[in-house]
Amino acid sequence: ILNVEQSPQSLHVQEGDSTNFTCSFPSSNFYALHWYRWETAKSPEALFVMTLNGDEKKKGRISATLNTKEGYSYLYIKGSQPEDSATYLCALYPRNSNYQLIWGAGTKLIIKP
Amino acid sequence: SQTIHQWPATLVQPVGSPLSLECTVEGTSNPNLYWYRQAAGRGLQLLFYSVGIGQISSEVPQNLSASRPQDRQFILSSKKLLLSDSGFYLCAWSVLSIQYFGAGTRLSVL
Repeated sequence: ILNVEQSPQSLHVQEGDSTNFTCSFPSSNFYALHWYRWETAKSPEALFVMTLNGDEKKKGRISATLNTKEGYSYLYIKGSQPEDSATYLCALYPRNSNYQLIWGAGTKLIIKP
Repeated sequence: SQTIHQWPATLVQPVGSPLSLECTVEGTSNPNLYWYRQAAGRGLQLLFYSVGIGQISSEVPQNLSASRPQDRQFILSSKKLLLSDSGFYLCAWSVLSIQYFGAGTRLSVL
């Protein structure tokens, strides 16, 4: 059974500081790994989809990497801003998916001004 | 472009009353549709998903049911709500693997 672990559960970061958090998984038996951002009072929105070992994606100050051999993905935020405050969800699209994603519990990021 | 509508945004219902939450998608055909509940400390809990009209898969045995009467309509229902049904419910659609979410419904059962 594919399991997705995210750490830390929550994170307080000073505005302007850079930060990163982790999504880990025991097996590389998936088509894709997704990162979503879920802001308070809004819906989750997809940030990145990564499929290959070594994939790196970037959107503005946010980037993500995928290491399927060691079983983790990192999400990095450079120069955190208050609008980065959100819960960041990691999800796997398994090979035997039936169109479902397997979701991590998320990392709640709070940026302190 | 595709859009997803979910309503109502908030709902307060007494214990034992019925429930009907509706979700519709525009701008796409034959989407996969999903109902999630936000589980405290556990992110998103998948409740139901559907790959076509009348095709519903349930992930968690519970007091809820789902129906898909039309291609782009997905309904979450209950005959008798329990206190434990309170929570935040999200509808989502996908064509490939990326899922797109509705605005959510905050359900309070009193």
